[in-house]
Amino acid sequence: QITLKESGPTLVKPTQTLTLTCTFSGFSLSTNGVGVGWIRQPPGKALEWLTLIYWNDDKRYNPSLKSRLTITKDTSKNQVVLTMTNMDPVDTATYFCAHETAQVPRHFDFWGQGTLVTVSS
Amino acid sequence: DIQMTQSPSSLSTSVGDRVTITCRASQSISSYLNWYQQKVGKAPKLLIYAASSLQSGVPSRFSGSGSGTDFTLTISSLQPEDFATYYCQQSYSIPRTFGQGTKLEIK
Repeated sequence: QITLKESGPTLVKPTQTLTLTCTFSGFSLSTNGVGVGWIRQPPGKALEWLTLIYWNDDKRYNPSLKSRLTITKDTSKNQVVLTMTNMDPVDTATYFCAHETAQVPRHFDFWGQGTLVTVSS
Repeated sequence: DIQMTQSPSSLSTSVGDRVTITCRASQSISSYLNWYQQKVGKAPKLLIYAASSLQSGVPSRFSGSGSGTDFTLTISSLQPEDFATYYCQQSYSIPRTFGQGTKLEIK
């Protein structure tokens, strides 16, 4: 059974850097085709895809946020880390990590519970 | 970026109703279309992938159809637990994009 869980600060100040960790089990990020993505959702708003990292360390970013995002993986620890710089109150959202299938067409079949990050001074 | 447009944005419905939600892509995405259900305070749950494939464990009252730019999610007979927000998402290209959501409300 695949599970994912997000962890990190619940409150960050404007201009600070956010670091979130996705710890997963039930699959390996060294398996051909597999990916882990981050998606966020501001309160009462729609889902927004942020970034993906694949088994071969290929990284993809939302162009609208690319300059602020970094995604990395630690295969031995079964973790994926998201870093977002220069946080602003508009970045207040629930941040989800999700497993993207190797099967094409790809889809996010397992999600973490999400973590609410508030940006406020 | 491929824009995903859902309609309607909200729908007032009753238990037992047949419900259809539409999703339109700004360009052809073949069958690279997924549907998710999200309840308040919860993570999205995959319902349909590849436009019409039912995810394991999802009730058969949910179905999906379409290809190219126009897609539909149908719930054949709405159950109390189906009142939620539904999102479409394309996996044809990067960036992955979601629709704005369709909220099903109790009439």
